[in-house]
Amino acid sequence: DADVTQTPRNRITKTGKRIMLECSQTKGHDRMYWYRQDPGLGLRLIYYSFDVKDINKGEISDGYSVSRQAQAKFSLSLESAIPNQTALYFCATSGVGDTQYFGPGTRLTVL
Amino acid sequence: ILNVEQSPQSLHVQEGDSTNFTCSFPSSNFYALHWYRWETAKSPEALFVMTLNGDEKKKGRISATLNTKEGYSYLYIKGSQPEDSATYLCAFLDDYKLSFGAGTTVTVRA
Repeated sequence: DADVTQTPRNRITKTGKRIMLECSQTKGHDRMYWYRQDPGLGLRLIYYSFDVKDINKGEISDGYSVSRQAQAKFSLSLESAIPNQTALYFCATSGVGDTQYFGPGTRLTVL
Repeated sequence: ILNVEQSPQSLHVQEGDSTNFTCSFPSSNFYALHWYRWETAKSPEALFVMTLNGDEKKKGRISATLNTKEGYSYLYIKGSQPEDSATYLCAFLDDYKLSFGAGTTVTVRA
């Protein structure tokens, strides 16, 4: 079984809809991250969490919110989706040594 | 937002040839530089974590060097094979967060 899982893997939604992307990990890591990837750009950090009570905005947090329900779960929400949020979203975790372990990604399309 | 740049954006290599490409990053307040390999339809996977000036890391035919004083790292692929086709990302570590470059996409032609 994969150490970092994301659901859904693909999602098509309409402008204005609320959507939640979920991430779970079995690596026992405290630090979790949400990134988005757009063609020609690197991975950009949306939000990160260093433990259950710690939530921090990243480079591009506008239009997004997160919830850290447990050490193993970190969810990303788009309160009112817009077309320029169409992207590939990755969840990642890290522990000692700072290497990040990525989930399989969620491809989101907002029409 | 830290400026991490990779060049070239893409390159094509004949099977068996060697190649290299660059990552540049801020030379002040250096902590670590990461390299990740990202194959199509998969998720990025860590290749190297480099922390010391002059560091050289090797994994099979892939190796990397680090110059923290001038703010650059090279990644080398020796004797490229089709399975080396991927996007290679570098990332600068700052306060447990990574700032990624846009990547170098390598295509190895058989």
